[in-house]
Parts: sequence; structure tokens; C-alpha cells
Amino acid sequence: QITLKESGPTLVKPTQTLTLTCTFSGFSLTTSGVGVGWIRQPPGKALEWLAVIYWDDDERYSPSLKSRLTITKDTSKNQVVLTMTNMDPVDTATYYCARRMVTDAFDIWGQGTMVTVSS
Amino acid sequence: QSALTQPASVSGSPGQSITISCTGTSSDVGGYNYVSWYQQHPGKAPKLMIYDVSNRPSGVSNRFSGSKSGNTASLTISGLQAEDEADYYCSSYTSGSTYVFGTGTKVTVL
Repeated sequence: QITLKESGPTLVKPTQTLTLTCTFSGFSLTTSGVGVGWIRQPPGKALEWLAVIYWDDDERYSPSLKSRLTITKDTSKNQVVLTMTNMDPVDTATYYCARRMVTDAFDIWGQGTMVTVSS
Repeated sequence: QSALTQPASVSGSPGQSITISCTGTSSDVGGYNYVSWYQQHPGKAPKLMIYDVSNRPSGVSNRFSGSKSGNTASLTISGLQAEDEADYYCSSYTSGSTYVFGTGTKVTVL
């Protein structure tokens, strides 16, 4: 069974750095073609793709957020970490991690974690 | 990159067919056969319904089908059922080797 689960703070202050961890099981991030991505969704709004990291260490970021994002992986722990700097209230959202399958779609999603940015 | 454009809402009666459009550009939808569709019920994580324009993952009903023409992709739900009431999002791979989601469509079963 393939599962992903997001973890991290539920509340961060403006200007702080957010660090989220995606812990997964049932697949390996060393398998050719596989990736893990992050997608967020502000309350009542649409999904927004943030970043993806692939089995070969390639990283891709949303052009509009690239300067604030870093994605890393620890294959020994089956974890992917996303950091987002200079948090702002507009970054309040549910953050999801998802497996990017060999074809370009995200086939399995975590349950999501709600992050609120407020002083 | 701009979000792909979807109608805000689509509705239909049980048993009818509805189609949701997803319009992008030649740099995303029109340039690649990597369009996917996701269903999201309130308070739940998105679920992959269609990948690579028209392929269904195992377990997804064959009432869901996808297609593409030029810069516009479409999701058709046939034999509409109450359980299909949800938000639907398209997504595409882009020329920048990134991904972009659509604006989302709320499907209402009348």
C-alpha cells in the first residue's frame, strides 16, 4: 500500500521559514521516473503546484515561488522536505505532498496539512 | 505560468453527461499529452481520475473520459451520479518542466 503523510507546524509567523516533511511508504524514490511533489490549496481556492523532486535528484519549482522554495529528499528515511522562506498570510493553505508517477501525473496524495500564517 | 482556465461551475441531472473544459497554451496543454484530471470532495485530498489526456487509473469508473484538441483538454462524465458532485481540477506538464493546475470546476448534480 502506498501512503504519503505531511507533517510540520500548523502555525507560523510572518517572515518565518516553513519546513514541511512528507514521509512516504510503499514505493522508493530511487526508482527511475518517480518523483514527489508539493501542491497547496488556500482555503476555498484552487490547487497550486509548488515543487517536485525526482529519483535522479532533479528539482523543479513553480516560477512564481522559486526564490522562496527548496525541496530535498532523504531516500534512507523515505522523506521529502519542502522549505518556504519569508512566509506571508497569503501562504495560508493546506499543503499536500503527492507521488509523481512515471507519467506526468500525481497519482497518490497525502491527506494534507493546514498551515496558517499569522502573528 | 498562468493557471489553466476552467469554467467555475457545471451542472447536470443524474444520468446526463457533462463536459468540463481546460484551456491552456501551446506551452502546456497544447504542447504535451500530459494532461491529468483530479476529483476533490470537500475536506478531502484530490484523487487522480485521468492521466496522459485520456487514461484512467485502475479503479476509476469508465464513466470518466478525457480528450484534448489543440490547447483545450476536456473531461466528460457520463451517466452522472450524485457521488460525482465535487470539485475537478485539470493539470498539465509545461515547457518549463514544471506543472500547472487549472482554476477548478464545481460540479453540481441537480
